[in-house]
Amino acid sequence: DTAVSQTPKYLVTQMGNDKSIKCEQNLGHDTMYWYKQDSKKFLKIMFSYNNKELIINETVPNRFSPKSPDKAHLNLHINSLELGDSAVYFCASSQVVGTYEQYFGPGTRLTVT
Amino acid sequence: AQSVTQLDSHVSVSEGTPVLLRCNYSSSYSPSLFWYVQHPNKGLQLLLKYTSAATLVKGINGFEAEFKKSETSFHLTKPSAHMSDAAEYFCVVSPAGTYKYIFGTGTRLKVLA
Repeated sequence: DTAVSQTPKYLVTQMGNDKSIKCEQNLGHDTMYWYKQDSKKFLKIMFSYNNKELIINETVPNRFSPKSPDKAHLNLHINSLELGDSAVYFCASSQVVGTYEQYFGPGTRLTVT
Repeated sequence: AQSVTQLDSHVSVSEGTPVLLRCNYSSSYSPSLFWYVQHPNKGLQLLLKYTSAATLVKGINGFEAEFKKSETSFHLTKPSAHMSDAAEYFCVVSPAGTYKYIFGTGTRLKVLA
C-alpha cells in the first residue's frame, strides 16, 4: 500500500493557467507538508498543516494556496502559473509536528511552458 | 540561524570501497538530524535519524552515521559501496522546538564498477 501518494505524477501546462496537485497519506499522521525541489535539487518547505490547521507558511507567492479538507489530504492549488514555478513538488507527512521523521510522496514534476 | 552544510556536492567511489558523505550543522538547540536518499526520479526515503539517543545511528542498507556535538557533524558512512547506492543524499536538521526540516544541498554519490 502506498503511504503518501500524489497526483498527478507529471503536469505540463502553459503560463497563466491554474492547476492543482493532490496529496493523500494513509499513515494516520497528523501533519502534512509541501516542499519544492528546484532544478539544482534544493528542497525547501512551502507549507505545513497540522490537523487541518496551517502551521508553516514560508515566503511563498500567494498564487500558491494549500487546502486540507481532512488530516489525510493536503492539496496545493497554483494560480496564474509562471515559468519559475517549474519544479518537482513533494508532499510529506509525519506523525506529529517537529522532530519525527517525515515520509515523502513520489513527487509531481510540474513543467510550465 | 539554523543551517546544514553538505561539504561535497559530488562523491565518486568504486564498488566495494567505503563511502563517506559529510554533513555539518548549525543549530541553537539540540537538533534532530536525518539522512535521506533520493534515487533518480523517485521520492525521498529515510536512511536514518538521530534524536538525542545513541550517538552512533544505524540505518537501512548498511548505512550509519555518528553524531559529534563537539564537531557539529553528522557524517554518513557505509563500509562497502554497492552499485544500487548511487543516488542523491540529503542531510536534514530539525532544530528542537521547531516544526521545520532544513535540507542540505545534497551530495550525489556515484559508484564506479
